[in-house]
Amino acid sequence: DVVLTQTPPTLSATIGQSVSISCRSSQSLLDSDGDTYLNWLLQRPGQSPQLLIYSVSNLESGVPNRFSGSGSETDFTLKISGVEAEDLGVYYCMQATHAPYTFGAGTKLELK
Amino acid sequence: QVQLKETGPDLVQLTQTLSITCTVSGFSLTTYNMHWVRQPPGKGLEWMGAMWNGGGTDYNSAFKSRLSISRDTSKSQVFLKMSSLQTDDTAKYFCARQLGYYWYFDFWGPGTMVTVSS
Repeated sequence: DVVLTQTPPTLSATIGQSVSISCRSSQSLLDSDGDTYLNWLLQRPGQSPQLLIYSVSNLESGVPNRFSGSGSETDFTLKISGVEAEDLGVYYCMQATHAPYTFGAGTKLELK
Repeated sequence: QVQLKETGPDLVQLTQTLSITCTVSGFSLTTYNMHWVRQPPGKGLEWMGAMWNGGGTDYNSAFKSRLSISRDTSKSQVFLKMSSLQTDDTAKYFCARQLGYYWYFDFWGPGTMVTVSS
């Protein structure tokens, strides 16, 4: 199975600060169709996960553009340009290139 | 309006079988693929399996032969059934939808928490 390693496990930020989360894959997530199925989700406390970014860098409808994704093959990054209070929660990367689909262990974003 | 809702027992006895229903509205199960994902308390997410829009299924081999996913399109329901429950099956179980070759889950249900008791 593909292992996704997220760092850091915990992130403390002030409102307005820009932060980045890394997701490294144990194998390339480039699919034979040319797309890379690496997604980012946010799980706020007590809620179900919600999609933020799909296929590395595509912003899901309704998601603020302070969120951005980048990367390729095995190294991916989620950036939040100016943290807001509503951004607190656990961020997960997820790959859907290889079955079984797998998730990173999560990065908890807290207020400093 | 897209909605997904999981319903199931709060408590299941050790070695018994778990049955959970995901009822959807606002879209068709013959258009969207449906997935099951679980999350043990305080832990991460684990993909369990899928019901494809054409009626086929795929499972995470981690669950071997004890997991079964089915559906009733006339009732807009997808079913998860898992046998031989152990205490480490205690988790919140989510259903989520996915469209065709767009390999992401764009809507999730609120989840249902299941505790396996000895």
